[in-house]
Amino acid sequence: GAVVSQHPSRVICKSGTSVKIECRSLDFQATTMFWYRQFPKQSLMLMATSNEGSKATYEQGVEKDKFLINHASLTLSTLTVTSAHPEDSSFYICSAQDRAVGLTGELFFGEGSRLTVL
Amino acid sequence: QQQVKQSPQSLIVQKGGISIINCAYENTAFDYFPWYQQFPGKGPALLIAIRPDVSEKKEGRFTISFNKSAKQFSLHIMDSQPGDSATYFCAASISGNTPLVFGKGTRLSVIA
Repeated sequence: GAVVSQHPSRVICKSGTSVKIECRSLDFQATTMFWYRQFPKQSLMLMATSNEGSKATYEQGVEKDKFLINHASLTLSTLTVTSAHPEDSSFYICSAQDRAVGLTGELFFGEGSRLTVL
Repeated sequence: QQQVKQSPQSLIVQKGGISIINCAYENTAFDYFPWYQQFPGKGPALLIAIRPDVSEKKEGRFTISFNKSAKQFSLHIMDSQPGDSATYFCAASISGNTPLVFGKGTRLSVIA
């Protein structure tokens, strides 16, 4: 199946710094990518929908100024956690839809990025 | 408001047994129902998915049963193996431009 690559897989940072996570669709073009957050032993919570060439749509309760999302190309979306704090420590997962299939098909997930803020 | 309710929260099954996980949804506009398998520290991987035009779909040891009138769907894992031990999530979406809504997950442990 299609591959979605996330980088880095693990990152540890100091409180107050910013961290960028990349999500790439390796063998398909993705008009839309989704960013999820998952706390230990919990479900995936949608943070935002990232559309290529336009502003991301954030879910209620997600601070758009804190979680900056950029979808500059059909194969790359980035999530930047600005001024990270310990409560931002979580597992961040991106997913992408094959542009050729559209939103009636499978969502491909990245391997996730574990952020630890000290 | 939780749109997709999943049960049980955890499940222990003997090797060779049948694992059954259930999900119920509220939004009748949902028309895509996938199941994802997630191992610790990894992203979810699609296991099997169904649309409302069929009542059952089988792929190997995995079967989805779908009851449109009851707004319920379930995952059956036949001949469960220790390697099936993982967290399983049901999800639902509306075809078009909406993201997946996930259930809370079921942690499955298959013991020998």
